[in-house]
This record gives sequence, C-alpha cells and structure tokens, in this order.
Amino acid sequence: SYVLTQPPSVSVAPGQTARMTCGGNKIGSKNVHWYQQKAGQAPVLVISYNGGRPSGIPERLSGSNSGNTATLTINRVEAGDEADYYCQVWETSGDQVVFGGGTKLIVL
Amino acid sequence: QVTLKESGPVLVKPTETLTLTCTVSGFSLTNARMGVTWIRQPPGKALEWLAHILSNGRKSYKTSLKNRLTVSEDTSKSQVVLTMTHMDPMDTGTYYCARMFAQYWPDGREYVDDFWGQGTLVAVSS
Repeated sequence: SYVLTQPPSVSVAPGQTARMTCGGNKIGSKNVHWYQQKAGQAPVLVISYNGGRPSGIPERLSGSNSGNTATLTINRVEAGDEADYYCQVWETSGDQVVFGGGTKLIVL
Repeated sequence: QVTLKESGPVLVKPTETLTLTCTVSGFSLTNARMGVTWIRQPPGKALEWLAHILSNGRKSYKTSLKNRLTVSEDTSKSQVVLTMTHMDPMDTGTYYCARMFAQYWPDGREYVDDFWGQGTLVAVSS
C-alpha cells in the first residue's frame, strides 16, 4: 500500500516561512491535497491538486510537488496558522485514499 | 451553502454494529461531479480514510477494513450511510463525512474533499 511520510512537527517564528513536506514514492506523478486542522475543529482544504488554492485561502499558502516530495509552504507565518497539516493522495491503481501522518505546525 | 452533518450513536459496545448517517445540503448526491467520503480520527491521531461513494454508485473501501464496512445512499433524503460491523475499542474516534468534488484530467477524473462535516465522536466501550 502507498505510504505518505510527514515530519511530526515543524516550528517557526512569526513572520518566517514554514515548509512542511510529504514524502511518497514518485509522489510527483500524483495529485496531492493539503488539509489544515485546528485544535477541536474539522479539517479544512487549503491546497488542492498540488498547488491550487480554494476560495478564501490566503496567498501566503502555496504547494508544490515533484519527485518523491510534495511541499506545503506558508509565508509570513501567523499565530493563527498553528494547526495540524495533512497531505492526501488518491492511489488510483488500488482505488485507495491515503493520508499522511500529519505535521503539527508550532508557531513560536 | 454546502453543509454536511454526521449523526449516530455516541457510544457503542464492542462487537456491535455502528451506523452513521451523513445528511447533506447545498448540493445533490446525483450530480455527476459529486461523491461523499468517510474519514475517521482516533483521539490524538491522524486522519484515516474509510470509504466513499460516487454519484454513479461506485463504492470504494479501505482495504484493511473492507470486510467490516458498507456505504450506501438514499438520494431522496440526501443521506449517505456508513455501517461498520464488529466494533472494537480501537475504533473509538471522531468520524467525518466530506463532499468529494471531481476535477477532470486527460487521463481520468479525480476528487478532492472540499467540504467537511463537523464530525461525530464515537466511543466503543462496554
């Protein structure tokens, strides 16, 4: 089965740039979605199809995907960005949806 | 306005069957670009995909849980139902339903979970 690997946590000071990775075998050939989950809340889609931003998502958030790594980047990090971030792919060959283990973004 | 709301028991006993209902509004389950997915999250742990159903009736299940899961829909009620048999304390967690929205690509159709319900917490205990 397909596995997505995310670092457990990333720490960044306010105003700096946070980069959260999602590793998978040839993930660059797949479409990756990213979800933000704040404490006690349901997940929210923040990046679709590698780099698309749904309506209402600030331009500070961006995504990229190449080779074996997809990356979610948050520029000018704010306290309100503190949350868990999950990457997701649809493994079409096995018709399975896979989530990464999630990365907790800590704003120092 | 798209909304999804999960409903079902708060507590089930081990070995019992869990039945959860997702009631949707703001979109039609019969729309060719739509589907509904079920995802769960044990306390303090990661999201885990369980199953989904597309507007054409096609169903998919997490391989390791396939024998325990059934997803169905009642389009007249705008509801999608998930049943999970042989519940175990390890199945304790928050269960979410979400709308799947299709985008068409040259080599096929893929979906993204663009709207989520608030989730419902299910505890499994005797």
